Amino acid sequence: AQSVTQLGSHVSVSEGALVLLRCNYSSSVPPYLFWYVQYPNQGLQLLLKYTSAATLVKGINGFEAEFKKSETSFHLTKPSAHMSDAAEYFCAVTSNSGGYQKVTFGTGTKLQVIP
Amino acid sequence: DAGITQSPRYKITETGRQVTLMCHQTWSHSYMFWYRQDLGHGLRLIYYSAAADITDKGEVPDGYVVSRSKTENFPLTLESATRSQTSVYFCASRNRGPGELFFGEGSRLTVL
Repeated sequence: AQSVTQLGSHVSVSEGALVLLRCNYSSSVPPYLFWYVQYPNQGLQLLLKYTSAATLVKGINGFEAEFKKSETSFHLTKPSAHMSDAAEYFCAVTSNSGGYQKVTFGTGTKLQVIP
Repeated sequence: DAGITQSPRYKITETGRQVTLMCHQTWSHSYMFWYRQDLGHGLRLIYYSAAADITDKGEVPDGYVVSRSKTENFPLTLESATRSQTSVYFCASRNRGPGELFFGEGSRLTVL
């Protein structure tokens, strides 16, 4: 079984401040982890993914995430928030159990950027 | 245009009516998925398909029917819509393996 927990359904940061969105996962086998972003009235787009290579993963728009097996975490960070980062962010997990057929999503974190 | 398209984008229907949401992808991806998005629940998998004529249930399949006669199409049917099926529905596709999911823009369904 696999699951994802995103702490904080809403996060507010000031423009230029650090963005930290938390994600903890549970998986009985080595996981593959993803962060997706959703802008209003749009589908989800991939920000970055961890597929067992480097533990620090860099994505688009200056975001990065670090896989920490000991903490079962995959937190998303960005050093300096921009107004255009306001969106909803989803962490997701899949695994080889069942041939990657199922991707489980967290409940999402809505990021507000305050000017 | 290449990509994944959903139709209709918006639909209002009444309880008990049949509704079909369409999904079409041009990449020849093996896998296709239907998710519903509800406040507080994130995305929940309804059904998925590994190839033409192969479908399987996800987390919340009750009240929904799918088919996949062609690789590129994966329609989702609500045979008798209920108010609890008011939601935003997303279709997604990907190739085999732990790769990126590509999402459509969503279909917002309201059941009165």
